[in-house]
Amino acid sequence: DAKTTQPNSMESNEEEPVHLPCNHSTISGTDYIHWYRQLPSQGPEYVIHGLTSNVNNRMASLAIAEDRKSSTLILHRATLRDAAVYYCILRADGGSQGNLIFGKGTKLSVKP
Amino acid sequence: DTGVSQDPRHKITKRGQNVTFRCDPISEHNRLYWYRQTLGQGPEFLTYFQNEAQLEKSRLLSDRFSAERPKGSFSTLEIQRTEQGDSAMYLCASSSGPSGPYEQYFGPGTRLTVT
Repeated sequence: DAKTTQPNSMESNEEEPVHLPCNHSTISGTDYIHWYRQLPSQGPEYVIHGLTSNVNNRMASLAIAEDRKSSTLILHRATLRDAAVYYCILRADGGSQGNLIFGKGTKLSVKP
Repeated sequence: DTGVSQDPRHKITKRGQNVTFRCDPISEHNRLYWYRQTLGQGPEFLTYFQNEAQLEKSRLLSDRFSAERPKGSFSTLEIQRTEQGDSAMYLCASSSGPSGPYEQYFGPGTRLTVT
């Protein structure tokens, strides 16, 4: 799976939108873009994934650049519960193994 | 179904002892993964099952580690002759598909402390 680059940390104010960037310049055509987050003392939690088009679900939105070399996870209104480490991960389709390759992620702090 | 469960949540053991962890995946998921996470790092892959077959092992999985998934249901991870360097969070995840669009669902983890 290709490598991703994320900022080490970001801060946000409660109830404001948060845009978490991820660069993946070596992405291949079959790589899906996945986002997971990990709250303190918990296992990682799936957030959202996409291939080419922007995606929305109840947790977040995923905006994918036209050339797919970068993406942005959007939390529309940050809450204190959104304070977590956010991981951007590429997953190749058609692979036989399927394990996730985690980097260090972005630690998001949310201020009240 | 309430998701992936792991037992125990915490384990403190003395160096040299054996420990065993259990993971119960989401019932319809045929893929099960074990990861290890140390403080400040992202989870690292250890091993992977498709049904009862162990298909992949990371080089992190030394000979002291063994994992099983009898009948393709729950899985156990055993560490023999524990060392202080084994202290970590051990995470289990399950998935209904191998890659690409298939997400993984993680359990709460078992935190191991070797004294």
